[in-house]
Amino acid sequence: DGGITQSPKYLFRKEGQNVTLSCEQNLNHDAMYWYRQDPGQGLRLIYYSQIVNDFQKGDIAEGYSVSREKKESFPLTVTSAQKNPTAFYLCASSMSGQVSYEQYFGPGTRLTVT
Amino acid sequence: KNQVEQSPQSLIILEGKNCTLQCNYTVSPFSNLRWYKQDTGRGPVSLTIMTFSENTKSNGRYTATLDADTKQSSLHITASQLSDSASYICVVSARSSYKLIFGSGTRLLVRP
Repeated sequence: DGGITQSPKYLFRKEGQNVTLSCEQNLNHDAMYWYRQDPGQGLRLIYYSQIVNDFQKGDIAEGYSVSREKKESFPLTVTSAQKNPTAFYLCASSMSGQVSYEQYFGPGTRLTVT
Repeated sequence: KNQVEQSPQSLIILEGKNCTLQCNYTVSPFSNLRWYKQDTGRGPVSLTIMTFSENTKSNGRYTATLDADTKQSSLHITASQLSDSASYICVVSARSSYKLIFGSGTRLLVRP
């Protein structure tokens, strides 16, 4: 059963704590992405990785960090420096980083920070 | 500035009726345009993807059109079903770019 998995589906944290969101894919895709979705807004790119051991900042990278040590995994850490971390986080992957390729999305993680 | 605007923001229709969602974009140079369906609390799922040379593309009861001259696209849903209730997101990409530009979506509610 191929696809993208994100865990957990819901995550609750206290303000000031770092939290790591998991994203795994078994599609053998080279490129992976993290997006943030807020009500009434389009998805915004946080970080992306076109190949293992390489990643680039997106539009809203401040307060977030990522790693890409394995092709199938692209975890996102939301640090205490992120001023408004409560949101729905979506991970995606594509065969290549070129925009002509389809991006496949995971089911998302809803993070609530109080 | 590369932007994608969708209208209406929300729409309520009766089951069995047709509807059309609109997307206007200012992304340049244009590469492709996609429509995604996103159920509440889930990840988006691709419906169609169109390049510059394609005017129409269908996926079951969903038909997308593209007018690259006016930079407009529409998504037509035929004979709506309750399961069509979702947000529909228009996404445009520019050539030589790594990034997709997302619209804020149209929230569709189909009532019995």
